[in-house]
Amino acid sequence: KQEVTQIPAALSVPEGENLVLNCSFTDSAIYNLQWFRQDPGKGLTSLLLIQSSQREQTSGRLNASLDKSSGRSTLYIAASQPGDSATYLCAPSGNTPLVFGKGTRLSVIA
Amino acid sequence: GAGVSQSPSNKVTEKGKDVELRCDPISGHTALYWYRQSLGQGLEFLIYFQGNSAPDKSGLPSDRFSAERTGGSVSTLTIQRTQQEDSAVYLCASSSAVGGAGNTIYFGEGSWLTVV
Repeated sequence: KQEVTQIPAALSVPEGENLVLNCSFTDSAIYNLQWFRQDPGKGLTSLLLIQSSQREQTSGRLNASLDKSSGRSTLYIAASQPGDSATYLCAPSGNTPLVFGKGTRLSVIA
Repeated sequence: GAGVSQSPSNKVTEKGKDVELRCDPISGHTALYWYRQSLGQGLEFLIYFQGNSAPDKSGLPSDRFSAERTGGSVSTLTIQRTQQEDSAVYLCASSSAVGGAGNTIYFGEGSWLTVV
């Protein structure tokens, strides 16, 4: 059974800092891994999907890496902004529906 | 439709009543998922559909919960005899298939259920 751990659980940084969110998973038999963002009281917004054959995926200030064999992914956010404040969730996907970590709650302070 | 649509967006119900939550997935998506998120908690998988069939119902928390999908499109999650612990946001998602390398999953805004 897939288990997902995200570290740290919460993070507070000043505006402009670069930061890294970590995700680890126990079952490396995945097709892809998605990173999502969840704002308070809202659903999930997909940020990046990184396929198992890829090492990195970039979208704007976001960069996700995947090391499938070691069961790890990181989400790098460059030049953080207050609008980045949200909970970030990772979800590896195999033949069964997505399993989510509990997320990292990010606060970017202006 | 353009995105995953859920209704109602908010529902307050009395303990013991039945509720129905509806999900309209992205047009053409064959896979549909239901998750539950209690306050301050992570996402809990409930059930998924591939077409109209539900291969995995293991996440349904009790026999008071059921879900169906008809016509490979709209799905309804029904909670009978609601209890206060059912209060949560119920999130629906869809994708073009289950698994697979490029299948991005898209979520709706959720149905916020409060049982009083």
